[in-house]
Amino acid sequence: DVKVTQSSRYLVKRTGEKVFLECVQDMDHENMFWYRQDPGLGLRLIYFSYDVKMKEKGDIPEGYSVSREKKERFSLILESASTNQTSMYLCASSDLTGTALNIQYFGAGTRLSVL
Amino acid sequence: EDQVTQSPEALRLQEGESSSLNCSYTVSGLRGLFWYRQDPGKGPEFLFTLYSAGEEKEKERLKATLTKKESFLHITAPKPEDSATYLCAVQADSWGKLQFGAGTQVVVTP
Repeated sequence: DVKVTQSSRYLVKRTGEKVFLECVQDMDHENMFWYRQDPGLGLRLIYFSYDVKMKEKGDIPEGYSVSREKKERFSLILESASTNQTSMYLCASSDLTGTALNIQYFGAGTRLSVL
Repeated sequence: EDQVTQSPEALRLQEGESSSLNCSYTVSGLRGLFWYRQDPGKGPEFLFTLYSAGEEKEKERLKATLTKKESFLHITAPKPEDSATYLCAVQADSWGKLQFGAGTQVVVTP
């Protein structure tokens, strides 16, 4: 079974703090993704990476950055946390294929509150 | 712009009362449509992938179908353990980027 592990289930941070969300997958997947999930808005893609050292902006990258130094690890960084970044953050991974079969497997999520 | 719309937003069912969820999409060049189940406080869990119009997939009480403009998730004789939010997503490029709908929250009461 694919396992995607997010380091924290719950986090409470102060406005202006630098926040690191860590994600590790154990299936040697090429692609990794960071989403945020808010009520009524669904999952929105923040950043994704299809190779080590490679990263691409998703739909809502403002206020975030990412790091992928190793294939299995993908980190989301909030440079200066703000209250509008309070959300559920979900990490996912998938295999790199040339077909449509690009199933994403998700971690359990990190619920971040910024006060 | 790719769009995915799910309806209804919420669905309350009696145990054994079959129903269907809808996922309509507008995307150029659909590579795949995905259904996920999400329990409260957890990450989405993969259910099905559909590739082409006319395709059907089944898993226990769930059956997913696909047309050129929409997909349906049929829940037959649901049980309380089928209560969850069901998410639909479409993939239009080769790198696996998914566009998600907002989900349908299903509650099945005994």
